[in-house]
Amino acid sequence: QVQLQQSGTELVKPASSVKISCKASGYTFTSNYMHWIRQQPGNGLEWIGWIYPGNGNTKYNQKFDGKATLTADKSSSTAYMQLSSLTSEDSAVYFCARMLTGRYYFDYWGQGVMVTVSS
Amino acid sequence: DIQMTQSPSFLSASVGERVTLSCRASQNINKYLDWYQQKLGEAPKLLIYNTNNLHTGIPSRFSGSGSGTDYTLTISSLQPEDVATYFCLQRNSWPLTFGSGTKLEIK
Repeated sequence: QVQLQQSGTELVKPASSVKISCKASGYTFTSNYMHWIRQQPGNGLEWIGWIYPGNGNTKYNQKFDGKATLTADKSSSTAYMQLSSLTSEDSAVYFCARMLTGRYYFDYWGQGVMVTVSS
Repeated sequence: DIQMTQSPSFLSASVGERVTLSCRASQNINKYLDWYQQKLGEAPKLLIYNTNNLHTGIPSRFSGSGSGTDYTLTISSLQPEDVATYFCLQRNSWPLTFGSGTKLEIK
């Protein structure tokens, strides 16, 4: 069955970076899009961007240009998102979500990673 | 960016009641509208895609409709397990944008 297993909770300092992961299983990782979505405390959802692991192509929400960098490791079927120059505004839960090629909706989500930025 | 406005922000209804949630886009989104249910502490779960297509395994009491800028999620008979926040998502154009959510509670 399809599973997206994300890495654990992160507590990081302001101005630092963090890299979170999303390990996929149960489907062909390289043939489908992986998206990332942010949910700030008490707030709604914001789309960050996607990566197509088959060729490494990416697309970002302009709001997250320079903040988020998406990568993927085909050998381990794992997608990564690095967040840089962290501020308290980046404290949020970050989800990965699969978008099946040809379907174009988010049918499976990871459990989410809580990132807290605090000194 | 396309703005998605959901209403109401909060809704309290009785078990068995018919419930309607709305989502309005700032421009035509050509029915590229999905609905998600998020329970406390969980990831969102897909309910409806492309306005009116029920995702696999979702109970038939959920349905969607709409066109242009106005879309609706209907729960025909509210159940206790439907307590959650419901989000709409437009996929017509980049960046993808979500509504701010409707929090649904049992009266």
